[in-house]
Amino acid sequence: EDQVTQSPEALRLQEGESSSLNCSYTVSGLRGLFWYRQDPGKGPEFLFTLYSAGEEKEKERLKATLTKKESFLHITAPKPEDSATYLCAVQAGYGGATNKLIFGTGTLLAVQP
Amino acid sequence: DTEVTQTPKHLVMGMTNKKSLKCEQHMGHRAMYWYKQKAKKPPELMFVYSYEKLSINESVPSRFSPECPNSSLLNLHLHALQPEDSALYLCASSSPGGLYEQYFGPGTRLTVT
Repeated sequence: EDQVTQSPEALRLQEGESSSLNCSYTVSGLRGLFWYRQDPGKGPEFLFTLYSAGEEKEKERLKATLTKKESFLHITAPKPEDSATYLCAVQAGYGGATNKLIFGTGTLLAVQP
Repeated sequence: DTEVTQTPKHLVMGMTNKKSLKCEQHMGHRAMYWYKQKAKKPPELMFVYSYEKLSINESVPSRFSPECPNSSLLNLHLHALQPEDSALYLCASSSPGGLYEQYFGPGTRLTVT
């Protein structure tokens, strides 16, 4: 069964304290892995798409990497405004013309000033 | 412009009411989605439309009825809901065919009394 697991469930950092969030997956044929940020009561905001092992994407203080079994979201020198839930989702090898995402349960990040 | 809009932002309805949620996008996307999200859980896929045709129904109860009048609009008609249907309802859109990120709207917070 296709599965996505995120760790840790929650992470508390001091401002400027770099860390990484993990997303491990077991799927039958990865087609794409997506990272989203979600603020409370709002819709997920798209951050990155990764397609193949070894790929890396960067945006401001965030950097996403992908291996054959997991993805990491590295946060460098975080600020309080980076506090949010970070969701990982994968699209597996389904046939057809639509993309059905399998979401992890998310990591709740709190950055304290 | 990567914007998906949803109306209303908040909705309170009784168990005998009929109401509709609306979603609109102007990104030229031909795949649109409805998700349900409960507190501290990831989004849960309900329906997928591809080229205005229903392509995925995740065994959603018939009290939820989706409609895609054209390529920019998506509706979710609600009737005889239960209190456990209270949640954040999210709309998303993407290019069809897989491998493309989904862009989410801000959601409608639904409370069933």
